[in-house]
Amino acid sequence: GAGVSQSPRYKVAKRGQDVALRCDPISGHVSLFWYQQALGQGPEFLTYFQNEAQLDKSGLPSDRFFAERPEGSVSTLKIQRTQQEDSAVYLCASTQRTSPTGEQYFGPGTRLTVT
Amino acid sequence: GENVEQHPSTLSVQEGDSAVIKCTYSDSASNYFPWYKQELGKRPQLIIDIRSNVGEKKDQRIAVTLNKTAKHFSLHITETQPEDSAVYFCAARTGGTSYGKLTFGQGTILTVHP
Repeated sequence: GAGVSQSPRYKVAKRGQDVALRCDPISGHVSLFWYQQALGQGPEFLTYFQNEAQLDKSGLPSDRFFAERPEGSVSTLKIQRTQQEDSAVYLCASTQRTSPTGEQYFGPGTRLTVT
Repeated sequence: GENVEQHPSTLSVQEGDSAVIKCTYSDSASNYFPWYKQELGKRPQLIIDIRSNVGEKKDQRIAVTLNKTAKHFSLHITETQPEDSAVYFCAARTGGTSYGKLTFGQGTILTVHP
């Protein structure tokens, strides 16, 4: 079946603009994660949803970052008043409820460049 | 919180040689340790994983070992091929749940020379 998809794949924003990044998880996957991957680094956790409930947002770097998953499927990560340090690849991952190991399947990411 | 350290940051081997990447973690409650391969501009892909109740797992040319006492785990790739060239990330799942967040290492750039 289809994997995790993300859009747009690339986004260039001027500093101060708001952006919205979309994630379509694998159908039926209950858990959804957002990660931020800076150039040359490993992904860093941002936030976690189980269905529509945001259970962990401890990784969001500031109150300019906001995520939602209103119907428990598609999720949107919004960044307000973007700053240059927000430039990174934003990865989404989803997990099947019945997987005993909770294997996370990643999307291709959105590369955000703030100029 | 959990902290994962990964070494080396770069690794260069000749085709056919073995490659070993090592990671240490800090949270003794971590119970799941996946390894991801990421090619340039692509998504991370799971290549092998191990749970905390297992010491070693093998899948063809790839193996992972886990030492819970020392809190370290390693990836072993035998008979390396040029297509193994990529960035490899180790990770540890924290929180003691099946659906907890992953904490990643900094990555190892593996280059396999033909």
